[in-house]
Amino acid sequence: AQKITQTQPGMFVQEKEAVTLDCTYDTSDPSYGLFWYKQPSSGEMIFLIYQGSYDQQNATEGRYSLNFQKARKSANLVISASQLGDSAMYFCAMRELGGTSYGKLTFGQGTILTVHP
Amino acid sequence: KAGVTQTPRYLIKTRGQQVTLSCSPISGHRSVSWYQQTPGQGLQFLFEYFSETQRNKGNFPGRFSGRQFSNSRSEMNVSTLELGDSALYLCASSWEADTQYFGPGTRLTVL
Repeated sequence: AQKITQTQPGMFVQEKEAVTLDCTYDTSDPSYGLFWYKQPSSGEMIFLIYQGSYDQQNATEGRYSLNFQKARKSANLVISASQLGDSAMYFCAMRELGGTSYGKLTFGQGTILTVHP
Repeated sequence: KAGVTQTPRYLIKTRGQQVTLSCSPISGHRSVSWYQQTPGQGLQFLFEYFSETQRNKGNFPGRFSGRQFSNSRSEMNVSTLELGDSALYLCASSWEADTQYFGPGTRLTVL
């Protein structure tokens, strides 16, 4: 069964510093996608970045990059130059692309990031 | 392009009642998925609809049901509400098996 683990319930970072949020996953499907979402206190889930299991390079989107280590089954999110507006809950999620896992994202428990001025 | 919209945003019901939540996907998206988010259980997959057909279903009782219309808009219904159904219900749309984009959610409180 697919599983996502986020071991950091909370993280603190100083404004303008970089921070890494950890995510490990488990799946038997060789074809899968990994996602990171941000959820501010308003509740809406905001898509940040995507990494496919067959992608050779780590994904980057502006200040967000994904440190993908396939052999270790980890997909850590790196936020560079943190801003106060980055304070939110962050979720790692996985979608198996084979079989019948249509439309199903499996989420980790989330990490609350607090950015200090 | 307009994002995913969900109505209503907030809802208060009493035990035993039923509720219908609505989701309008991003224009052109054919897949709509629903999730329940609670502090105790986190984010859990309810079901996914594609071209009016339910393709996948999570581990929820039959009180939770949904449907999708020909314009890809989707509704989910919860009958005989229980206190434990209080949650944030999130809808997400995608074109196919790609990135899901979420709506703002419907916060349901059952008294």
